[in-house]
Amino acid sequence: EAQVTQNPRYLITVTGKKLTVTCSQNMNHEYMSWYRQDPGLGLRQIYYSMNVEVTDKGDVPEGYKVSRKEKRNFPLILESPSPNQTSLYFCASSPDPFRRASSYNEQFFGPGTRLTVL
Amino acid sequence: QKEVEQNSGPLSVPEGAIASLNCTYSDRGSQSFFWYRQYSGKSPELIMSIYSNGDKEDGRFTAQLNKASQYVSLLIRDSQPSDSATYLCAVNHEGGSEKLVFGKGMKLTVNP
Repeated sequence: EAQVTQNPRYLITVTGKKLTVTCSQNMNHEYMSWYRQDPGLGLRQIYYSMNVEVTDKGDVPEGYKVSRKEKRNFPLILESPSPNQTSLYFCASSPDPFRRASSYNEQFFGPGTRLTVL
Repeated sequence: QKEVEQNSGPLSVPEGAIASLNCTYSDRGSQSFFWYRQYSGKSPELIMSIYSNGDKEDGRFTAQLNKASQYVSLLIRDSQPSDSATYLCAVNHEGGSEKLVFGKGMKLTVNP
């Protein structure tokens, strides 16, 4: 089954304790992205990756790191989590972001990770 | 700052009615437009995409795009209670398909 998976789905942690949220897709997609969703603020992009070893900042990158060593994986790293990073996180992927105005841009989302930082 | 605006809502319609959701965007060079449906606590699910002016129909859903006026809309015909969800408008701006900007969403309730 074609899908984007995330782990863990739920996480409660404490301020300052490093954590990693994994994201994996089995569709051979070039593009992957991380979003956070907060009430009243909607979905906001954290980081994205156009291909292996190519990553760039989205709109709210502060406090996050990413890496893209393999095409299928795009982990999100919080080196020192803080309470304002409590949120619902989504990973997404799309086939080919350079083929604009086409279905190759369509992004498919993982199930989400609900993170609480105390 | 490229923006995508949706009506604040919420929107409530009776079962069988037409639900109309609207979205405006700021970047005139935008090329790709999407509607996602999100049930409470779930991830966004792509339901419609549109890339050229005019209407695009898929079952009970119709997406409408007017690039001159910079708006995109979603019509849901014969609304069902199962359509009750938050609908997100998303736009890929000219600067690159990697930048997908979402509206804040419109909550739709379909009453039986």
